[in-house]
Amino acid sequence: DSGVTQTPKHLITATGQRVTLRCSPRSGDLSVYWYQQSLDQGLQFLIQYYNGEERAKGNILERFSAQQFPDLHSELNLSSLELGDSALYFCASSSREEGTQETQYFGPGTRLLVL
Amino acid sequence: GQNIDQPTEMTATEGAIVQINCTYQTSGFNGLFWYQQHAGEAPTFLSYNVLDGLEEKGRFSSFLSRSKGYSYLLLKELQMKDSASYLCAVRPVGTDKLIFGTGTRLQVFP
Repeated sequence: DSGVTQTPKHLITATGQRVTLRCSPRSGDLSVYWYQQSLDQGLQFLIQYYNGEERAKGNILERFSAQQFPDLHSELNLSSLELGDSALYFCASSSREEGTQETQYFGPGTRLLVL
Repeated sequence: GQNIDQPTEMTATEGAIVQINCTYQTSGFNGLFWYQQHAGEAPTFLSYNVLDGLEEKGRFSSFLSRSKGYSYLLLKELQMKDSASYLCAVRPVGTDKLIFGTGTRLQVFP
């Protein structure tokens, strides 16, 4: 158990819908990262938040957005869902501060199926 | 940009040693990571290299050569539970994100 929690574990929805995935980082970790893992592409970085502020963006679609709240939990919002959005969505956290080296620890993931 | 290459699949026998290679082309990075991922589960951290050389952690070791753009993960005394995907990732300079290779699926046979 990494200490990172994600809900829900599974999500089935229809095209065009909107869903919210939730992540709670390890106690004390300030950084939260979101990754998407689909069968044909491997783990792809989407976005990072550090202490409530957006820190870095990867290949995140405009239909997707995220935020990190004062209690440091994070939500990833996926809207206008398409079949191709079906994937495993992982959240990771680290205590990364400037000038330090820190490992990312992954949550159990949310499996999204868009029908 | 970054380009990370790993073999897609490997097989090995219980009790044996296996080496999983990772080559990368990157303009600069600040650490190379290895993760293990069982099917449908979260990646779990195995090892981290930032300097050239070998890092040993029990049955698992990881090696890095920055000048050659090359790393490997060495698994000794293989067990059936080591059947999983092994992901190589780099952290580009100036960022915290990880760029992952597509992973190597290892199957251990009795």
